[in-house]
Amino acid sequence: GENVEQHPSTLSVQEGDSAVIKCTYSDSASNYFPWYKQELGKGPQLIIDIRSNVGEKKDQRIAVTLNKTAKHFSLHITETQPEDSAVYFCAASRRNDMRFGAGTRLTVKP
Amino acid sequence: NAGVTQTPKFQVLKTGQSMTLQCAQDMNHNSMYWYRQDPGMGLRLIYYSASEGTTDKGEVPNGYNVSRLNKREFSLRLESAAPSQTSVYFCASSGRGGDYTDTQYFGPGTRLTVL
Repeated sequence: GENVEQHPSTLSVQEGDSAVIKCTYSDSASNYFPWYKQELGKGPQLIIDIRSNVGEKKDQRIAVTLNKTAKHFSLHITETQPEDSAVYFCAASRRNDMRFGAGTRLTVKP
Repeated sequence: NAGVTQTPKFQVLKTGQSMTLQCAQDMNHNSMYWYRQDPGMGLRLIYYSASEGTTDKGEVPNGYNVSRLNKREFSLRLESAAPSQTSVYFCASSGRGGDYTDTQYFGPGTRLTVL
């Protein structure tokens, strides 16, 4: 089955800096790659996603890139703010089978 | 719209007790899912229902059963709880199902402790 690895497990940045989280996947049949943000005590919330026929997608301060050949995808957050502090999960999916990375705890220091 | 709702929010069980976790969605989605989340790990799929009337095993189905009661509701049952089932359980739903890989929307979770 699919295996998703996510790095780093923790990331601390100064407010205003950029943050990058990277994931790799193993199953070349995966065709959908969402990123979720999870705040303490809450369920994961979708922040951005990308499909396998697209290389890059941007939404305001958040962008995701996908390299299908290398089987890796990344989340980029620019101009970070304290409210960006949370745990971020990447996932790789095909049909109903979604596999998650272990998560990255992002801390943005004011 | 409430989205995906789960009950209860918290539960403490003794080893061997049974319980059912409830999930409902009001988005008219076809597919529904149950995940568990353990410390330091991502979410792992327990069972899913691609459409009303069907259920399938996910990555970690042992010790669980599910029922797709109708299009809105999908329940997860622990017949004889074990300490290894202490976890946070999330329900999710997605729209189209079938061959299309759709966005999944998550509920707030149920925190379960088995003593």
